[in-house]
Amino acid sequence: DAGVTQSPTHLIKTRGQQVTLRCSPKSGHDTVSWYQQALGQGPQFIFQYYEEEERQRGNFPDRFSGHQFPNYSSELNVNALLLGDSALYLCASSLGPPGGNEQFFGPGTRLTVL
Amino acid sequence: DQQVKQNSPSLSVQEGRISILNCDYTNSMFDYFLWYKKYPAEGPTFLISISSIKDKNEDGRFTVFLNKSAKHLSLHIVPSQPGDSAVYFCAASDEGGGADGLTFGKGTHLIIQP
Repeated sequence: DAGVTQSPTHLIKTRGQQVTLRCSPKSGHDTVSWYQQALGQGPQFIFQYYEEEERQRGNFPDRFSGHQFPNYSSELNVNALLLGDSALYLCASSLGPPGGNEQFFGPGTRLTVL
Repeated sequence: DQQVKQNSPSLSVQEGRISILNCDYTNSMFDYFLWYKKYPAEGPTFLISISSIKDKNEDGRFTVFLNKSAKHLSLHIVPSQPGDSAVYFCAASDEGGGADGLTFGKGTHLIIQP
């Protein structure tokens, strides 16, 4: 039973570029959430997708956008990268509809912006 | 404005003794609380959760206590084992409001001494 998988593992970009991160949820899960974890901090909620729609959003600018596909996998896109976007990006999946369900995390994608 | 606070960045405990990790929150809308454990280069792993209608939940060596009036929860690990050495995150959400994006604390690094 595959858990949550994320790609790529590491990524280096320069300021102003755009990046796409990918996530495949745990088998049987249909809800995907994305989090940003800066060094020394806890994960911060970016947004959640269910039924291919953004259902909830944290305090992140519009430069952060996402998508969920019919197979429940998801992408996180970040435009106009800033140095402060350097972080570990975590994807978590759960069984919808959203509310009261344990979230399973992937290993994350380490993004470095130079 | 940190809504979930873990005021101890690190905690050292002898093997076999009790580990107590503390967490405080400020948002009275939070009604579901979770503890996650994280090893380096891995995503957070769910440990145990508690709903606001309860004041205690137990699962093997792990017990979570919730004091709603004090907006405080704690995780007890008895007995502590070397494999428990990890970073522990406290998280909370407003499940009743349909918002299960998690708000995390900064984490406590637990070190179990042999």
